[in-house]
Amino acid sequence: QQQVKQSPQSLIVQKGGISIINCAYENTAFDYFPWYQQFPGKGPALLIAIRPDVSEKKEGRFTISFNKSAKQFSLHIMDSQPGDSATYFCAASQISSGSARQLTFGSGTQLTVLP
Amino acid sequence: DVKVTQSSRYLVKRTGEKVFLECVQDMDHENMFWYRQDPGLGLRLIYFSYDVKMKEKGDIPEGYSVSREKKERFSLILESASTNQTSMYLCASSLVSSGKYEQYFGPGTRLTVT
Repeated sequence: QQQVKQSPQSLIVQKGGISIINCAYENTAFDYFPWYQQFPGKGPALLIAIRPDVSEKKEGRFTISFNKSAKQFSLHIMDSQPGDSATYFCAASQISSGSARQLTFGSGTQLTVLP
Repeated sequence: DVKVTQSSRYLVKRTGEKVFLECVQDMDHENMFWYRQDPGLGLRLIYFSYDVKMKEKGDIPEGYSVSREKKERFSLILESASTNQTSMYLCASSLVSSGKYEQYFGPGTRLTVT
């Protein structure tokens, strides 16, 4: 059972364009929603994250939009650059044993930004 | 900077072999995690540990076990490797403190079981 559904699986955007990746979740116990970026040969790294008490968070060219009632959130990359070409994972987090925060990841989106 | 290192980048093992994947973090993090990454499936949690000698099953623990004897080290064990365990394995660590939920990942070990 996939608790976090991510789309599209792959995305090709021209340089300067807007990249949009969407995620939906089911478990209302999730209370923290990060996005991770992964370059080839590297582990994922935290890009940006949001809590459900706000509807939008922006950091530079990256924005998360969050719709709590629809249980959906999305990543927008403005002015996409070839250096943004990577795999992006949305995730949802809930508190678990020993205060550890367990992450449930989406299936990933391979973004290619053409020069 | 937080550093999470994994013992091997690439590993090839035979079916039935016992396999050890090692992960070390240098930032005194309480929590450590093992994931496997497969195309189209994202990252799936195998096991995690919130303290030395403490472990919890994740979403796909079958066929795996873990060991955490020291705070900085978390080992993933495949008791009897099978071909369906061919995958990329990622280790991560995180700090237990208010508002700090970031997981720091190692570079991964690509395991092939033949």
